[in-house]
Amino acid sequence: DTAVSQTPKYLVTQMGNDKSIKCEQNLGHDTMYWYKQDSKKFLKIMFSYNNKELIINETVPNRFSPKSPDKAHLNLHINSLELGDSAVYFCASSQDGLGWSEQYFGPGTRLTVT
Amino acid sequence: AQSVSQHNHHVILSEAASLELGCNYSYGGTVNLFWYVQYPGQHLQLLLKYFSGDPLVKGIKGFEAEFIKSKFSFNLRKPSVQWSDTAEYFCAVSNSGYALNFGKGTSLLVTP
Repeated sequence: DTAVSQTPKYLVTQMGNDKSIKCEQNLGHDTMYWYKQDSKKFLKIMFSYNNKELIINETVPNRFSPKSPDKAHLNLHINSLELGDSAVYFCASSQDGLGWSEQYFGPGTRLTVT
Repeated sequence: AQSVSQHNHHVILSEAASLELGCNYSYGGTVNLFWYVQYPGQHLQLLLKYFSGDPLVKGIKGFEAEFIKSKFSFNLRKPSVQWSDTAEYFCAVSNSGYALNFGKGTSLLVTP
């Protein structure tokens, strides 16, 4: 059983397009996250949601808009894609947002903007 | 500024060699510390974590890490690596919850 799933796994698109990445967790967790991993493998938090409420927005351009229809889903919509958006995007979840909770990561979505 | 530093970006070891990967952080107050591993083509998995108690923590696959508060360090160790340990290793810190702050990762290659 997949704990945290993301679709699609690969996404190739042109500059200026709008795209979405979906994330679902079946762990019953309250908190979900989006991380961006750049070409040098550096992982950086983008957003955190707790019970469908936005907790963290780490100075991400407003072209990125997360949406949490329920606490099992956290989708990422990106408008007007730019070359610099090319990266691997990881969704994660944790039981709660407390600092010691283990985060469970999805398989990642490799976004390539041409 | 708050940060997590991993000293070794690329490490190459022969099988059976011992491993130590350095991690230092610069956060005030209480911190929770993690090591995650990313095997080639796979997602991140938790190796071990520390939030209180015994500063020497044991994780999966024979890994352990020691929290040294005075040195702001949380180094990862394994006495004898295997080829299957080839992966990216990430140290991460959480001090206020809701997000992990990652180091830049260490790429480990274990040769037969």
